[in-house]
Amino acid sequence: EAQVTQNPRYLITVTGKKLTVTCSQNMNHEYMSWYRQDPGLGLRQIYYSMNVEVTDKGDVPEGYKVSRKEKRNFPLILESPSPNQTSLYFCASSEGFRNSPLHFGNGTRLTVT
Amino acid sequence: AQTVTQSQPEMSVQEAETVTLSCTYDTSESDYYLFWYKQPPSRQMILVIRQEAYKQQNATENRFSVNFQKAAKSFSLKISDSQLGDAAMYFCAYRSLRTSYDKVIFGPGTSLSVIP
Repeated sequence: EAQVTQNPRYLITVTGKKLTVTCSQNMNHEYMSWYRQDPGLGLRQIYYSMNVEVTDKGDVPEGYKVSRKEKRNFPLILESPSPNQTSLYFCASSEGFRNSPLHFGNGTRLTVT
Repeated sequence: AQTVTQSQPEMSVQEAETVTLSCTYDTSESDYYLFWYKQPPSRQMILVIRQEAYKQQNATENRFSVNFQKAAKSFSLKISDSQLGDAAMYFCAYRSLRTSYDKVIFGPGTSLSVIP
């Protein structure tokens, strides 16, 4: 089954404790990206990667890092999480970019206390 | 900078009736793509419909259709014969066609309730 797999689905952590949210896709997509969803703000782009050689910041990259060492994986890293990073996070992939629709993972609900 | 606005935070519709969700956007670009995504309580994001800005013909997918007015920068979603399964949060999204970067902008969402 073609899918984007995110783990974990729920995560509760404390301020300053490094964490990684994994994302993997099995569709051989070139493009992958991360979003956070907050009430009243919709989804906001954190980072995106057009291919394994190109990664760039979205609209809200502060406090996040990403890595694209191989095509299928695109983990999101929070080196020192803070309470304002409490949010619902989505990973997405697409065959190309521009006109290609995004295929989303099931989301990760992160709570930082 | 591009922005996407959904002016209706919440809407409701009677089952089997028709409802229209509004979306407006602001951009200086001439070529772009527009999308509607649905997010049911399961929180899965599901593509509903997409529209290429260079196409004048409005996109249609079964009971879902759009009214795309490029000059007015408006992209509304019409749901016909509403069903209980249509109850969800709906997000309008803009995607730039620029080659030098990727920009995907989502609106704040409209929560749609379907009344039996």
